[in-house]
Amino acid sequence: SQQGEEDPQALSIQEGENATMNCSYKTSINNLQWYRQNSGRGLVHLILIRSNEREKHSGRLRVTLDTSKKSSSLLITASRAADTASYFCATDAGLTGGGNKLTFGTGTQLKVEL
Amino acid sequence: DAGVIQSPRHEVTEMGQEVTLRCKPISGHNSLFWYRQTMMRGLELLIYFNNNVPIDDSGMPEDRFSAKMPNASFSTLKIQPSEPRDSAVYFCASSLAPNSRQPQHFGDGTRLSIL
Repeated sequence: SQQGEEDPQALSIQEGENATMNCSYKTSINNLQWYRQNSGRGLVHLILIRSNEREKHSGRLRVTLDTSKKSSSLLITASRAADTASYFCATDAGLTGGGNKLTFGTGTQLKVEL
Repeated sequence: DAGVIQSPRHEVTEMGQEVTLRCKPISGHNSLFWYRQTMMRGLELLIYFNNNVPIDDSGMPEDRFSAKMPNASFSTLKIQPSEPRDSAVYFCASSLAPNSRQPQHFGDGTRLSIL
């Protein structure tokens, strides 16, 4: 089964609105990362949150992590058309010793309309 | 700064042919990852290297797939013989150090179509 699964699978909003995407995972982690993928391009790292952190900000991005619920959320505030992309969470192997191997979720396709 | 460079960007070939995908990681990065992305299965890790040594190849689907990293600046993923179900986008990524706190930097992928 997927280590990370995003919700919703697709999200369509108007420019200026906020977008919230959620990620659930199954096993313990050390870190959780969020990536963006524009159509036809590779993934781009957005932000990393450690298991002992609850919230982190970077520009218009806010990430939360709830290890008790094994979930994370990514909030994009004041969205722009350029934010249109797929967003993925990625988790490491935690205590199982998987090194720097990451498992990516299924992704949320965000469309920001003018 | 140059990012991760993959070649070719697109490859179309007939079933049974050998396919070689190439990757040049970011200079100074010690970890390299090969992924495959499809609509059905999402993004799957095939294999990764730390300091040119394969660490985990459990994601390599079959013996038809092989990967090498002869030096710190070059890696190849080879499929021989290729099959239509291998059609996918293949990504290479690199990171600075072999720990999960490092972000991975992705190339723009090779879109592979096996006819």
